[in-house]
Amino acid sequence: TQLLEQSPQFLSIQEGENLTVYCNSSSVFSSLQWYRQEPGEGPVLLVTVVTGGEVKKLKRLTFQFGDARKDSSLHITAAQPGDTGLYLCAGGVGSRLTFGEGTQLTVNP
Amino acid sequence: NAGVTQTPKFQVLKTGQSMTLQCAQDMNHEYMSWYRQDPGMGLRLIHYSVGAGITDQGEVPNGYNVSRSTTEDFPLRLLSAAPSQTSVYFCASSYWTGTGSSLVTEAFFGQGTRLTVV
Repeated sequence: TQLLEQSPQFLSIQEGENLTVYCNSSSVFSSLQWYRQEPGEGPVLLVTVVTGGEVKKLKRLTFQFGDARKDSSLHITAAQPGDTGLYLCAGGVGSRLTFGEGTQLTVNP
Repeated sequence: NAGVTQTPKFQVLKTGQSMTLQCAQDMNHEYMSWYRQDPGMGLRLIHYSVGAGITDQGEVPNGYNVSRSTTEDFPLRLLSAAPSQTSVYFCASSYWTGTGSSLVTEAFFGQGTRLTVV
């Protein structure tokens, strides 16, 4: 079983600060995905990274896939209250995804 | 497009009762899955399907049954509810996108069913 570990589990910051959350595994993944989940809703896909060393940007969010394809990070610049949510990384393909435990991010105004 | 629709949104069951959680998608996706989400444990795969008539077990299948008679529908049945099945259940459908080494699947999730077993 491939496992994904996310850190930190909880993060509370002030508006305008930068932050990075991590997703690590002992296994190689062909691709990793990041989702954001808001209370009472299902996860929503943010990005998929497929190539070792790949960097993708989505406005203020920067996603990186490790060279060995075992880890990924999500960096948010100048966080805003609207960024508050549970951030989940997931690996696998098709109908079988393995999820990390998630990072609960709270951005205070 | 409604996407992935789950019903009901909330349910309370007594121990030993059975029920079916409904999931329907209107995107013609081949793949569908059921996950449960518990505090501090992320989402765990219960059962999944790669097409109509084909299902298989995920990480935590005990106590649950599924069937996939059509592309659109993927119901999850609880045979005899137990308090350990108290959780939030999510249905997802997914499809392949990209080409070559960039071929990946993208998943769309429903809004979830919050189930409490007392």
